[in-house]
Amino acid sequence: QLQLQESGPGLVKPSETLSLTCTVSGGSISSSNYYWAWIRQPPGKGLEWIGSIHYSGSTYSNPSLKSRITISVDTSKNQFSLKLSSVTAADTAVYYCSRHGDLDYWGQGTLVTVSP
Amino acid sequence: QAGLTQPPSVSKGLRQTATLTCTGNSNNVGNEGAAWLQQHQGHPPKLLSYRNNNRPSGISERFSASRSGNTASLTITGLQPEDEADYYCSAWDSSLSSRVFGGGTKLTVL
Repeated sequence: QLQLQESGPGLVKPSETLSLTCTVSGGSISSSNYYWAWIRQPPGKGLEWIGSIHYSGSTYSNPSLKSRITISVDTSKNQFSLKLSSVTAADTAVYYCSRHGDLDYWGQGTLVTVSP
Repeated sequence: QAGLTQPPSVSKGLRQTATLTCTGNSNNVGNEGAAWLQQHQGHPPKLLSYRNNNRPSGISERFSASRSGNTASLTITGLQPEDEADYYCSAWDSSLSSRVFGGGTKLTVL
């Protein structure tokens, strides 16, 4: 059974860079043709797609966030990562990683708060 | 970024049938269909249906999805208290090369 787990700091200061990693277990991130996604949910609000990456390194990003996003993959560690630069309070959210194609597997999510 | 349109809330009685809608356009819902996700407070979303009425294993047959043109629908029959949750639709938008979500529908079971 595929499992995803997000990890990273829960508190980030304004203007700094948010960094999260998703570790995939129970299957290889590079064994299929799936993309792997980052999705976030501000408190009390809906879901927002951030971007997705294939194990080959091919990426798609939300146009509204594209200039601030870096998504990378490390197949040797079965992980993919998100960096979001120049964060503000509006980036406070629960960040989820998911298998992109059908959104069939999700991590538990990690709350990242942007605050001084 | 253009998203999908869902009604903010739907209320139905116990054991009744609820139909939730999700409206997009020919580049997203009308192209590849929509996925439906259920989210209970404090939990990650759970996939109920993908690409129109393909149910993952373990999902009750009470949940069925369909599509007509650019509108996707999720029908939940025999409503139970545990069905009270937020429901999201999502689709890939080929013109934006982006995944888009609906704003979510809060289903209340009376």
